[in-house]
Formats: sequence, structure tokens, C-alpha cells
Amino acid sequence: DADVTQTPRNRITKTGKRIMLECSQTKGHDRMYWYRQDPGLGLRLIYYSFDVKDINKGEISDGYSVSRQAQAKFSLSLESAIPNQTALYFCATSYRGGGGNEQFFGPGTRLTVL
Amino acid sequence: LAKTTQPISMDSYEGQEVNITCSHNNIATNDYITWYQQFPSQGPRFIIQGYKTKVTNEVASLFIPADRKSSTLSLPRVSLSDTAVYYCLVGRDNYGQNFVFGPGTRLSVLP
Repeated sequence: DADVTQTPRNRITKTGKRIMLECSQTKGHDRMYWYRQDPGLGLRLIYYSFDVKDINKGEISDGYSVSRQAQAKFSLSLESAIPNQTALYFCATSYRGGGGNEQFFGPGTRLTVL
Repeated sequence: LAKTTQPISMDSYEGQEVNITCSHNNIATNDYITWYQQFPSQGPRFIIQGYKTKVTNEVASLFIPADRKSSTLSLPRVSLSDTAVYYCLVGRDNYGQNFVFGPGTRLSVLP
């Protein structure tokens, strides 16, 4: 979804480095999410935020931290990157209400930790 | 968490109708059933969502029996471009803890 952007799109880094992945959205949605995807597997939820002051851990939050700087921005940090954090990272947004589960995904960031 | 089970892979030919069934025996009363499509190296894309009976849009149909313990995504007359991974999820109101993507079904459409 072009309204959800992620930077950088690709990143190669070394073990022990601090990395920040950024997500911005122009959809006006209040909810934002970070997922990681490993080859051949489904997506796993890292963190999610229902508004600027509400941040929650997902299934695999260890080794990651997030910051919701504004309604439109949600950043994911790897404090000290390790090789098994090599993966494809997706940001997503959604809006409250409607009862369902429609999320809008960004294009992804491919992270390689050497 | 309502867990889902779907076939790991399916093959089809161009022009055929494809039905992918998902089992969700522990679905809660207020849960919706949502299907996503994912192409390689792209984020998942919402296809269709339903609560009960049948839902149809320009892309697919979703059939949900009365007991809601399963659902079937139907793709009419598939083309090569429908080759992708399809995920079935159940949950309500985008609660993050309910939003679990399993391995999905890898659909291969052959010429």
C-alpha cells in the first residue's frame, strides 16, 4: 500500500550494531504494527500500537524496541543486531472500528545481519 | 487465540476455480474471518472478510457455514498472477494478540 512507507528498503549491517527501521503512514490510521517474516514462514508480530501512548509487545518482542513518535510514525529498533534477526520486516496500519481485521501493509524492509 | 489450519500448498491451472479451506474450530463469537494474499517480497494484501454465510467482492468469494468452524476462499477462474500465498486469520477488531499469520497456503497456478 503506497500510503504506508518503510525506510530503508534494504539494509545490511554487522552483528552488534544498532539499527532503526522506520514506518510512516498517510492513511490517518490510529493503529500500527511491526511484523517479521522469515523465508517460507508466515508473519510474526513484534510490537503493535493502538495509539501514540499505547504500545504492546507481540509474539516475538525480545531484542526489539519501538517508538511511536506520532500517529503517523512507528519505528522499530534492534538495539544490538544478531544474525538470526535477518528477515523481512513489515509495518502495517489499521483503524479502529468495523469489527474486522483489515490491515494495510508497507513494502517491507529486507534486513541482513552479518 | 483462535488457531487456523489450512493446506500448505495447492496447484491449479489457469481458468479453473480454486477453493482453499481453512479450519478454525475455536473461533469466538465475535471473531471475523479474514483472508490475505501475499506475493514474494511484498506485504500481505487484504482480499476479503466475513462473519457468516457468504461474502463476495470483485476478487473472491468467502463461504462460511453456520457453525463457523471453517471457511472457504473461492477464487474464480485463476490466472498465473494469482500464484501467491494465501493466509486465513480469525480475530476481532484488529486486536494485535489475535492477529496471527500461520504459514498460509502456497497456491501455484500453472499454464
